[in-house]
Amino acid sequence: DIQMTQSPSSLSASVGDRVTITCRANESIATYLNWYLQKPGKGPKLLIYSASSVHSGVPSRFTGSGSGTDFTLTISNLQPEDFATYYCQHSYSSLPITFGQGTRLEIK
Amino acid sequence: QVQLQESGPGLLKPSGTLSLTCGVSGGSISSGYWWNWVRQPPGKRLEWIGEIDHRGSTNYNPSLQSRVTISVDKSKNQFSLKVTSLTAADTAIYYCAREYRDDTSGYYDFWGQGTLVTVSS
Repeated sequence: DIQMTQSPSSLSASVGDRVTITCRANESIATYLNWYLQKPGKGPKLLIYSASSVHSGVPSRFTGSGSGTDFTLTISNLQPEDFATYYCQHSYSSLPITFGQGTRLEIK
Repeated sequence: QVQLQESGPGLLKPSGTLSLTCGVSGGSISSGYWWNWVRQPPGKRLEWIGEIDHRGSTNYNPSLQSRVTISVDKSKNQFSLKVTSLTAADTAIYYCAREYRDDTSGYYDFWGQGTLVTVSS
């Protein structure tokens, strides 16, 4: 299985801040990497696919980058609705699909 | 707008069988997507269970393959999950999700809200 590791596991920030979350795969996955946001009691929502493509309707303050084994999600100008848990997920051809352990973004 | 809704019992006994259904509205299950089940045990990361396409082709997580069956009912526009030989480790929120897939990407663009399944005697 491809192992996905996120850092940090939790993060405190303020409205208006810029934050970066990192996701690392234990083998190359090219750009087959997606990012999701999850709020309590809700299913995950797609933010970024193919490492850097912003999903329809997602604000431009969310950006993704990376390829191979190292990826980042950057959120600029944090808004109150951004405080949630973020997950990365690989979609490489090698099954099973796996997710990172999550990064909880909290209000400072 | 596509919507997915999970349904099924919330409390099951060890050694029993879990049966969940995901109803799809706002789109046809016969369109070119893969339909997935993902679960999240309390305090743990999301875990992919398996997937099916409209023709009935399936892929399963090897860690669960011996106990899992996913099926599709095109007439009802829904797909289902069955997990046998339940243990407490199967306690989780179960999500259904639609996967878009092409040559360069694959991602879950629509998710259900999830349903909590507890395995306890």
